[in-house]
Amino acid sequence: AQSVTQLGSHVSVSEGALVLLRCNYSSSVPPYLFWYVQYPNQGLQLLLKYTTGATLVKGINGFEAEFKKSETSFHLTKPSAHMSDAAEYFCAVSGTGRRALTFGSGTRLQVQP
Amino acid sequence: DAGVTQSPTHLIKTRGQHVTLRCSPISGHKSVSWYQQVLGQGPQFIFQYYEKEERGRGNFPDRFSARQFPNYSSELNVNALLLGDSALYLCASSLADTGVPLHFGNGTRLTVT
Repeated sequence: AQSVTQLGSHVSVSEGALVLLRCNYSSSVPPYLFWYVQYPNQGLQLLLKYTTGATLVKGINGFEAEFKKSETSFHLTKPSAHMSDAAEYFCAVSGTGRRALTFGSGTRLQVQP
Repeated sequence: DAGVTQSPTHLIKTRGQHVTLRCSPISGHKSVSWYQQVLGQGPQFIFQYYEKEERGRGNFPDRFSARQFPNYSSELNVNALLLGDSALYLCASSLADTGVPLHFGNGTRLTVT
């Protein structure tokens, strides 16, 4: 079985500030890890994924995440927030069978001007 | 290329009724998955189909069923609707049976009154 915990249901940053969204996971097999973004009244868009190999993963829109096995973490970062980054962000893990995603409860990112 | 398309975008049903939601995957994608996203929560896995066969099922009651057609489109059916079935239903497609990543549609917003 697998699970995802996203610390902080709401995060607020100033435009231009560092964005850090936290994700911890548990998985009985080596995990595949994902970050998705959801804008109001839309579906989920894949930001980035980790399957194997390099632990620092770069995604779209300047986001990146680092897989840390020892900490069971996959935190999402962006050096400089933009107003357009305001959205809901979901961390997800794919475990045994690699068929289904288990999502965290999401973090709503607010960007203040 | 068109992304994952879902219909209808919104619908309102009464408790006890039946509902059918439809999904067309990205061209060339043979796997379709369904997720339920209750307001304020992350999506939860309902079903996965590949080549018209059910390959995965989440922890949902038998009132929920699905099927996949020869053209890889899919239907999700829910019988005897409950108020708690009110949610955004997301369809996702992928090229392969396993391994993700998933490409999500914009969802169908179901309201049960």
